[in-house]
Amino acid sequence: AQSVTQLDSQVPVFEEAPVELRCNYSSSVSVYLFWYVQYPNQGLQLLLKYLSGSTLVKGINGFEAEFNKSQTSFHLRKPSVHISDTAEYFCAVREYNNNDMRFGAGTRLTVKP
Amino acid sequence: SQTIHQWPATLVQPVGSPLSLECTVEGTSNPNLYWYRQAAGRGLQLLFYSVGIGQISSEVPQNLSASRPQDRQFILSSKKLLLSDSGFYLCAWSDRGGSPLHFGNGTRLTVT
Repeated sequence: AQSVTQLDSQVPVFEEAPVELRCNYSSSVSVYLFWYVQYPNQGLQLLLKYLSGSTLVKGINGFEAEFNKSQTSFHLRKPSVHISDTAEYFCAVREYNNNDMRFGAGTRLTVKP
Repeated sequence: SQTIHQWPATLVQPVGSPLSLECTVEGTSNPNLYWYRQAAGRGLQLLFYSVGIGQISSEVPQNLSASRPQDRQFILSSKKLLLSDSGFYLCAWSDRGGSPLHFGNGTRLTVT
């Protein structure tokens, strides 16, 4: 079965600085990859997804992620963060022909003024 | 457009009491349905998923059960709650294939 590892539990950054949230996955078959954001006491909101094609995918709120098959990674990046980006971020993987989706433990991004 | 409703938003229940959380989806047919639990400061744990009426896959043996009595209705239940059942419960739906999951707003359950 697939699994996801988010390498950083907490990432503090200053406003307008770039940020990268790291995600590695494990699977014996091809996968779909996703990043979600969660604000306090809310459900998860989809940021972006990789299904096939170009390995660089762009999402909402200025985020982008790059799929690297050889390194089994799907890191999330933003060139300049805002205070409002403070939230929990989850990486998720779903195998082809599989109905369940597995999530990483999450990365808490804190943007400081 | 599709919407997902999950209720209640918050719930405080004593140990040993029953539980019923309900989730409904509108605007789509034959969705995959999911229940996740999020413990404080932790990631999401898949509890159950369903690909059709009456079809439930359980991921973790535990004190909870799920049912899908109608195509767009998914219910999470327990006969007797434990303290360890406290957490944030999230319902989600998706289409087939590579479709992402779409989440409800969650239920904060506190077992006292």
